[in-house]
Amino acid sequence: EAQVTQNPRYLITVTGKKLTVTCSQNMNHEYMSWYRQDPGLGLRQIYYSMNVEVTDKGDVPEGYKVSRKEKRNFPLILESPSPNQTSLYFCASSLRTSTGYNEQFFGPGTRLTVL
Amino acid sequence: AQSVTQLGSHVSVSEGALVLLRCNYSSSVPPYLFWYVQYPNQGLQLLLKYTTGATLVKGINGFEAEFKKSETSFHLTKPSAHMSDAAEYFCAVSEPYNQGGKLIFGQGTELSVKP
Repeated sequence: EAQVTQNPRYLITVTGKKLTVTCSQNMNHEYMSWYRQDPGLGLRQIYYSMNVEVTDKGDVPEGYKVSRKEKRNFPLILESPSPNQTSLYFCASSLRTSTGYNEQFFGPGTRLTVL
Repeated sequence: AQSVTQLGSHVSVSEGALVLLRCNYSSSVPPYLFWYVQYPNQGLQLLLKYTTGATLVKGINGFEAEFKKSETSFHLTKPSAHMSDAAEYFCAVSEPYNQGGKLIFGQGTELSVKP
């Protein structure tokens, strides 16, 4: 089944304790992205990757890191989490097409609480 | 810059009634538009998309949307609401990949369906 998977689905942690949220897709998509969803603010892009070893900042990158060593994986790293990073996180992937656009497929989400 | 505005953060309809969720966009280039649905505790699922061509787009679960360039709108409709349609709906416009490829989301509209 074609899908985007994220782990963990739920995480409660404390301020300053490094964590990684994994994201993997099995659709051979070049483009991958991380979003966070907050009440009243909708979804905002954190980081994206056009292909292996190519990453760039989205709208809200502060406090986050990413890497893209393999095409299928795009982990999100919080080196020193803070309470304002409490949010619902989504990973998404997309196939690049000749039109330059395509719909993004989303993972199930990771609900992170930082105490 | 592109943006999306969804009119009405909450919409309530009776089962069997028409569903109309409003979306207006702003884009300096021909827009690629999407509607996504989010059921409780789940990720975002694509309902339908407009890229080019026919302005009336049919999606899954009986939903459709009409792209109206003159009104910069992409409203989502369904002739007859079902209880299972209760969810949050997001309208989004896509940046082209050469500008980052992100989805710019509206704030979301929560649809309630009354028996």
